[in-house]
Amino acid sequence: EQQVQQSPASLVLQEAENAELQCSFSIFTNQVQWFYQRPGGRLVSLLYNPSGTKQSGRLTSTTVIKERRSSLHISSSQITDSGTYLCAMEPNYNVLYFGSGTKLTVEP
Amino acid sequence: EAAVTQSPRSKVAVTGGKVTLSCHQTNNHDYMYWYRQDTGHGLRLIHYSYVADSTEKGDIPDGYKASRPSQENFSLILELASLSQTAVYFCASRTGGDSERLFFGHGTKLSVL
Repeated sequence: EQQVQQSPASLVLQEAENAELQCSFSIFTNQVQWFYQRPGGRLVSLLYNPSGTKQSGRLTSTTVIKERRSSLHISSSQITDSGTYLCAMEPNYNVLYFGSGTKLTVEP
Repeated sequence: EAAVTQSPRSKVAVTGGKVTLSCHQTNNHDYMYWYRQDTGHGLRLIHYSYVADSTEKGDIPDGYKASRPSQENFSLILELASLSQTAVYFCASRTGGDSERLFFGHGTKLSVL
């Protein structure tokens, strides 16, 4: 069973538009992280957000633990934002479960 | 920024052969992980370790062994490589403290023929 569901699977935006990515969990967790991956590249941690709202530049993550969901908002998208965004949750301290990701394409 | 280095970056192996993927981290992180990523899918945990000379099974350990001979090094071993093990493998390490961030290596693209 997929414990982490992400939506949409893919998203195409025009430059400067905003993006909203969703993540939901089948079990409760108190640790949520969002990662970014370029095609063929390594994963980079974007935001660690166990609860509430956290912002880093144009990225804002909102996690509602009791509803088992988290979202990532990207404002004023840029072409360089293109890539795959993965959500991960951690029901136990030492194991992270990842979703399949949202592939974002930002066009000029 | 924590550094996690994987080697090789890519490898072609024959079915039934032995493959060893290596991972080296600086910054003295306690936890190290091996994940597998298949095209169009997320990452799945194979093995992890929280201390040298000890390893733990993840979600998909079958067909894989792991070795953590030191704090810095963590290897993934495929004793008898199979076609189904063709994938990209990522090593990661974790810092402690308030930020539980995970730092990844560049990945190793393994093709088993």
